[in-house]
Amino acid sequence: AQSVTQLGSHVSVSEGALVLLRCNYSSSVPPYLFWYVQYPNQGLQLLLKYTTGATLVKGINGFEAEFKKSETSFHLTKPSAHMSDAAEYFCAVSDQAGTALIFGKGTTLSVSS
Amino acid sequence: GAVVSQHPSRVICKSGTSVKIECRSLDFQATTMFWYRQFPKKSLMLMATSNEGSKATYEQGVEKDKFLINHASLTLSTLTVTSAHPEDSSFYICSAPQGVLYNEQFFGPGTRLTVL
Repeated sequence: AQSVTQLGSHVSVSEGALVLLRCNYSSSVPPYLFWYVQYPNQGLQLLLKYTTGATLVKGINGFEAEFKKSETSFHLTKPSAHMSDAAEYFCAVSDQAGTALIFGKGTTLSVSS
Repeated sequence: GAVVSQHPSRVICKSGTSVKIECRSLDFQATTMFWYRQFPKKSLMLMATSNEGSKATYEQGVEKDKFLINHASLTLSTLTVTSAHPEDSSFYICSAPQGVLYNEQFFGPGTRLTVL
């Protein structure tokens, strides 16, 4: 069975600092991996996804993530945090195209000035 | 990208009443849609898979008689919460796969249900 673990339910950074949100997954097959962002009382917005090919994936708003099969990780990074990045971030996995996603518990990112 | 809408965005109802939530794919056809439930400060939990023209598949622990799902067309799935109670209050989100090889999920904006 697939599962996703997001280390750290809450991450706080200063504006301009590096953002690192951790995600580890378990899957018996090559996974599809996703990062979503959610603002209060809103739906999910896709930041980036990994399906096949290049393991370093670039997404929107300056975010990127690297798929490391040996570490079963898909950590999300952004070189310089902005106040508008404060939100809830979810890592998700699926084992094949078109199937439901399994979500991690989420990480709340706070950005201070 | 593809757009998924939900209606209503917010609904408040009295205990014992039924509430219908619609999920529409606006610019693509979706033979499959997924319904998730999200509690405050919690992750999304898959409730069921909605299949056009056939019965929905429910996840373990989800009462199918409580949460009725109908996928009557290629662009519309509905979730009806029957005889709602305060513990059913939650944020309900639908999604539909699309894109090349269907490897991307598009999410609706969610529906906030409050049962008094």
